Amino acid sequence: GQNIDQPTEMTATEGAIVQINCTYQTSGFNGLFWYQQHAGEAPTFLSYNVLDGLEEKGRFSSFLSRSKGYSYLLLKELQMKDSASYLCAVHNNAGNMLTFGGGTRLMVKP
Amino acid sequence: GAGVSQSPSNKVTEKGKDVELRCDPISGHTALYWYRQRLGQGLEFLIYFQGNSAPDKSGLPSDRFSAERTGESVSTLTIQRTQQEDSAVYLCASSLGERPWFSGELFFGEGSRLTVL
Repeated sequence: GQNIDQPTEMTATEGAIVQINCTYQTSGFNGLFWYQQHAGEAPTFLSYNVLDGLEEKGRFSSFLSRSKGYSYLLLKELQMKDSASYLCAVHNNAGNMLTFGGGTRLMVKP
Repeated sequence: GAGVSQSPSNKVTEKGKDVELRCDPISGHTALYWYRQRLGQGLEFLIYFQGNSAPDKSGLPSDRFSAERTGESVSTLTIQRTQQEDSAVYLCASSLGERPWFSGELFFGEGSRLTVL
C-alpha cells in the first residue's frame, strides 16, 4: 500500500515564506504532485516532480528527494489568497490513479 | 465543455435511498476518475476509466457503489441504499489519457456534495 503524511494545518504571515512537507512510502514511485484546493472549490494542479531536485514556478517551488521519500512545497511572498488546502499526491506504477495525502490547510494572516 | 461538469452540486437524501451522481468530462479526455472527500480530509480514490479498457474499481468501498461510463463521455456514480457514512463531496476528474498522464494534470469538477440524513 501507500502512506502519505503531511501536516494538518499551518499558519503563516502575509509576505513571508512557508514550506509544506510531505513524506511518502510507496513501491514503484512514478511521480509526486501538489494540488491547491480553496474551500468549497475543486483542486487545481500546482506542480509535478519525478526526478530529484527543485522545480520552480513563480512564487511556488516544489522539491523531491526520492531516496528519502520526501517532498516539500515552498510558497514565497505569501498572499492572503494563498489560504487554501495543499494536497500532496503520489503516482505509482501499480495503477493509474493518484493517491492523495490528507492535505495541509494553510492560513495566511495579515 | 470548457471544464469538468458535475451534477447535482448538492444532494440531500434519506438513509436507504439510492442516489446517482453525474460527471461530464472535458471533451477529448479519455481518462476519468471519481474521488470521495470527507469533510476536512484528503481525496479517496474510488474508480478510474480509461477509454474502452476495463475500469479500475479497486477503490470502491462496498458493493453499494457502482459507476458506469459510455465510451469517452459522461459517467454516472450510483450509490445504493445510502448510509450516513456516505456523506461527502464526490469529485470527478478527467485527463487526456495514459501518455500525457505524466504531466500530472487532472482537471477536477466542482464536486457533488452528498448529505445522507
